[in-house]
Amino acid sequence: RKEVEQDPGPFNVPEGATVAFNCTYSNSASQSFFWYRQDCRKEPKLLMSVYSSGNEDGRFTAQLNRASQYISLLIRDSKLSDSATYLCVVNEWDTDKLIFGTGTRLQVFP
Amino acid sequence: ETGVTQTPRHLVMGMTNKKSLKCEQHLGHNAMYWYKQSAKKPLELMFVYNFKEQTENNSVPSRFSPECPNSSHLFLHLHTLQPEDSALYLCASSQVGARTEAFFGQGTRLTVV
Repeated sequence: RKEVEQDPGPFNVPEGATVAFNCTYSNSASQSFFWYRQDCRKEPKLLMSVYSSGNEDGRFTAQLNRASQYISLLIRDSKLSDSATYLCVVNEWDTDKLIFGTGTRLQVFP
Repeated sequence: ETGVTQTPRHLVMGMTNKKSLKCEQHLGHNAMYWYKQSAKKPLELMFVYNFKEQTENNSVPSRFSPECPNSSHLFLHLHTLQPEDSALYLCASSQVGARTEAFFGQGTRLTVV
């Protein structure tokens, strides 16, 4: 079983749509969680950290469910510029390693 | 503007060449990483250095040789590569123990001919 699993997509959605991505992780000792965004042929960049209580940044909402070991990212009112690959990242407490998921590709169309 | 810089940005090399990729971080971090990303594939962790000591080598072929002279600099020495080694090579840094995110350089796009 992969350490961090994501649906690879692609998710093709119209502008203005709401889209949700899920990510599951296998190591219950995981401590910190992040969503990164990677544009085509560019480096990954931090989108937002994920806190236990859930957090929101504008149109983006991240949630963490420790009991079920999954993380979610909700994007409301999708823009064309949201088209990218979204990477789920987990920091394991015992090894302090950052584990990347395979990424979910989002394509927003007009 | 990024706190992690990689050079060169693009590199084309023959299978008999020797070249080096360079990474420098200006963030005061104590861990540095090399990742490989092939076309339409996920990130693959290659090497991890914590406090200048190599702590991970994910079964990477010996034709890739990392070097970390200090906590701010990381090199990847390349020799006798194969065409399938063509990929985007990304360097990242983070602060071990702080449970914080990693910051990436812009990558070196390597083509082996």
